[in-house]
Amino acid sequence: DAKTTQPNSMESNEEEPVHLPCNHSTISGTDYIHWYRQLPSQGPEYVIHGLTSNVNNRMASLAIAEDRKSSTLILHRATLRDAAVYYCILRLSPGGSQGNLIFGKGTKLSVKP
Amino acid sequence: DSGVTQTPKHLITATGQRVTLRCSPRSGDLSVYWYQQSLDQGLQFLIQYYNGEERAKGNILERFSAQQFPDLHSELNLSSLELGDSALYFCASSVGRGISGNTIYFGEGSWLTVV
Repeated sequence: DAKTTQPNSMESNEEEPVHLPCNHSTISGTDYIHWYRQLPSQGPEYVIHGLTSNVNNRMASLAIAEDRKSSTLILHRATLRDAAVYYCILRLSPGGSQGNLIFGKGTKLSVKP
Repeated sequence: DSGVTQTPKHLITATGQRVTLRCSPRSGDLSVYWYQQSLDQGLQFLIQYYNGEERAKGNILERFSAQQFPDLHSELNLSSLELGDSALYFCASSVGRGISGNTIYFGEGSWLTVV
């Protein structure tokens, strides 16, 4: 399975943008890039996903490198509620044996007021 | 609220006992997933069911079993419990079999403490 590499932790100030990086150099052509986050004492929550093009939704933006070997989750204005562990996950292709999510250790984001 | 319902929220039991965790997926979702989260292991995928059939198996112990019923709810059975089984158990669901673009929605988890 293709793996991802993320920094263990990052800090941000409230109301400033946050760029969370993820490296996935062994990504295959049909792997989607998913981001989930887990707030304290809650289940993981879907944030965004993409394949090749940059994606935007109400929560965040996803910037995908042209070679797809890395991506960046962008929170445009961090709030205290965004403090969580953020997971970058490669979702196995339909031809694979599993469609489930394989979580790594993620990046723990702290937001300072 | 993700729409995935898990019961019980908290459970304390003794070693050697057996417990059943229950999950109701989001309305219309056919896939159910079970995950275990402990402090030292992080989020570990256990098993997936799709429309009543086992779809994928992860790091699930032989002492653990699961099933998905015709009404699509699922149960995770944990037997011969050990102290190391203490963890947060998450159920999740998705519409399809787990094709790459599908979003997976997680419940709030069931806290299991084995004493």
